[in-house]
Amino acid sequence: GAGVSQSPSNKVTEKGKDVELRCDPISGHTALYWYRQRLGQGLEFLIYFQGNSAPDKSGLPSDRFSAERTGESVSTLTIQRTQQEDSAVYLCASSLRGSSGNTIYFGEGSWLTVV
Amino acid sequence: GQQVMQIPQYQHVQEGEDFTTYCNSSTTLSNIQWYKQRPGGHPVFLIQLVKSGEVKKQKRLTFQFGEAKKNSSLHITATQTTDVGTYFCAGRSSNDYKLSFGAGTTVTVRA
Repeated sequence: GAGVSQSPSNKVTEKGKDVELRCDPISGHTALYWYRQRLGQGLEFLIYFQGNSAPDKSGLPSDRFSAERTGESVSTLTIQRTQQEDSAVYLCASSLRGSSGNTIYFGEGSWLTVV
Repeated sequence: GQQVMQIPQYQHVQEGEDFTTYCNSSTTLSNIQWYKQRPGGHPVFLIQLVKSGEVKKQKRLTFQFGEAKKNSSLHITATQTTDVGTYFCAGRSSNDYKLSFGAGTTVTVRA
């Protein structure tokens, strides 16, 4: 597609429920990132996918968070047993490849509110 | 791990005035990027600096990369209301794909 596409754009969920957030990167981009941004805060790295290599999960805050990517296309970020502190916007980004120097392009984000 | 710090966190500027936001890394960077996020929007790439001491300009915006490649600055002249938003710097160490973002400088402009 023309840009990074994320869905849903907004999600309100009850505490304890599971949520799935989807990211469709720019066509041809082999690298895909997930970041979390709490209200008024900076960007917190969560996970990185590059081609068929093992993902870098070092930024995932707890084992309630997981992510998958199908080949070099769609990625899904899953949050299990959501907590109120999970409320944030979850931003997906992609780039041509994950090497130093490449610009990353962000999607519009998925705004998650846990009530 | 690598940490990127930005100051100030907030910048309230009179329209027409200049201001500067600063970015400092705990480690030497291979490059630094700047992004702008408008209220309610997502970060959008502005520029990348790679060389020690590099200076780049985009109209009223001047970006600088320090000689030691551990700090950077963004200077905006004659601030306009369109400059409102949060400016993030993001740095990468050599051979590291992860962009470490600063906390951002949120700019508001009074007419």
